[in-house]
Amino acid sequence: EAQVTQNPRYLITVTGKKLTVTCSQNMNHEYMSWYRQDPGLGLRQIYYSMNVEVTDKGDVPEGYKVSRKEKRNFPLILESPSPNQTSLYFCASSSPGGRVDTEAFFGQGTRLTVV
Amino acid sequence: AQTVTQSQPEMSVQEAETVTLSCTYDTSESDYYLFWYKQPPSRQMILVIRQEAYKQQNATENRFSVNFQKAAKSFSLKISDSQLGDAAMYFCAYRRYGQNFVFGPGTRLSVLP
Repeated sequence: EAQVTQNPRYLITVTGKKLTVTCSQNMNHEYMSWYRQDPGLGLRQIYYSMNVEVTDKGDVPEGYKVSRKEKRNFPLILESPSPNQTSLYFCASSSPGGRVDTEAFFGQGTRLTVV
Repeated sequence: AQTVTQSQPEMSVQEAETVTLSCTYDTSESDYYLFWYKQPPSRQMILVIRQEAYKQQNATENRFSVNFQKAAKSFSLKISDSQLGDAAMYFCAYRRYGQNFVFGPGTRLSVLP
């Protein structure tokens, strides 16, 4: 089954304690992205990757890190989480897009609370 | 930069009735893709319908259809025979080939029994 697997689904942590949210896809997609979802703001892109070892900042990259060492994995790292990073996070993957297979496939979401 | 606007933060519809969600976007490109995603309370993002800009025919998927007006840069979603399971947040999204997705802020749809 084609899927994007994101873990954990829920996470409560304290300010400053480093954490990693994992994301893995089994569709051999080149593109992977991280989004955060906040009420009234929709989905805002944090970082994206167009292929292995290629990453770039999205709209709200401050306080986050990513890496793309393998095509299937794209972890999101919060080195020193702060309460303003409390949010719902989504990982997504897609092909570059063409006449078919243009949509994004999303993970299940991670609800992060930083206290 | 491309932007996607959904001017209705919330909408409601009576069960079995029809509702239309609005979406407008800003682009100078002629070849792109548009999407509607549904996010039910489970939080899962589910693709509802997709439209290629080069196609003049409006996409349909069962009870879901779009009204794609390329010149007006409008992409509305019509849900016919609304069901309780249609209650969700709906996101409109834009994408060009090889580029990132741009999402709108979402419209929360309530379905009244």
